[in-house]
Amino acid sequence: GENVEQHPSTLSVQEGDSAVIKCTYSDSASNYFPWYKQELGKRPQLIIDIRSNVGEKKDQRIAVTLNKTAKHFSLHITETQPEDSAVYFCAASIAGTASKLTFGTGTRLQVTL
Amino acid sequence: GAVVSQHPSRVICKSGTSVKIECRSLDFQATTMFWYRQFPKQSLMLMATSNEGSKATYEQGVEKDKFLINHASLTLSTLTVTSAHPEDSSFYICSAQQGSNTGELFFGEGSRLTVL
Repeated sequence: GENVEQHPSTLSVQEGDSAVIKCTYSDSASNYFPWYKQELGKRPQLIIDIRSNVGEKKDQRIAVTLNKTAKHFSLHITETQPEDSAVYFCAASIAGTASKLTFGTGTRLQVTL
Repeated sequence: GAVVSQHPSRVICKSGTSVKIECRSLDFQATTMFWYRQFPKQSLMLMATSNEGSKATYEQGVEKDKFLINHASLTLSTLTVTSAHPEDSSFYICSAQQGSNTGELFFGEGSRLTVL
């Protein structure tokens, strides 16, 4: 089955700096890669996703890149703000099937003032 | 986006009792729902795939007789933790897929189970 690895496990940045979280996946059939933000005790919230037919997607301060050949994808957050502090999970699945998401292990992002 | 609602949000029970958690898709029909378990400071681990009108598909290592899943309608799936023990204490989250091919999942609020 699919295996998703995520790094780093914790990340501390100063407000205004950029944050980058990286994930790798093992199943070359995976073609849907969402990123979720989870605040303590709350549900994961989708923040951005990318499908395998594109290499990059951007939404304001958030961008995701995908390298299918290397089977890795990354989340980039620019101009970080304290409210960006949360745990971020990457995931992978084969969209179009009953989409079982395989999650990465999570990155705890702390944005300091 | 679509709304998935879970109930209860928190439940405390005694060891040996059973607990039922409901997951509802409020504004769309979901033929497939997924149940995840999340231990503190860990990732979400898929437990089972709930299929409307048929048996659930369980992931390896998940006991189907302990975690009973019923998906009797297109908007409701239930997870029953039977004979709960303290090690079953966890955050249980359901999700549902809107549409057949988008791949996007929407999550419920989660249910925190504490077994004394």
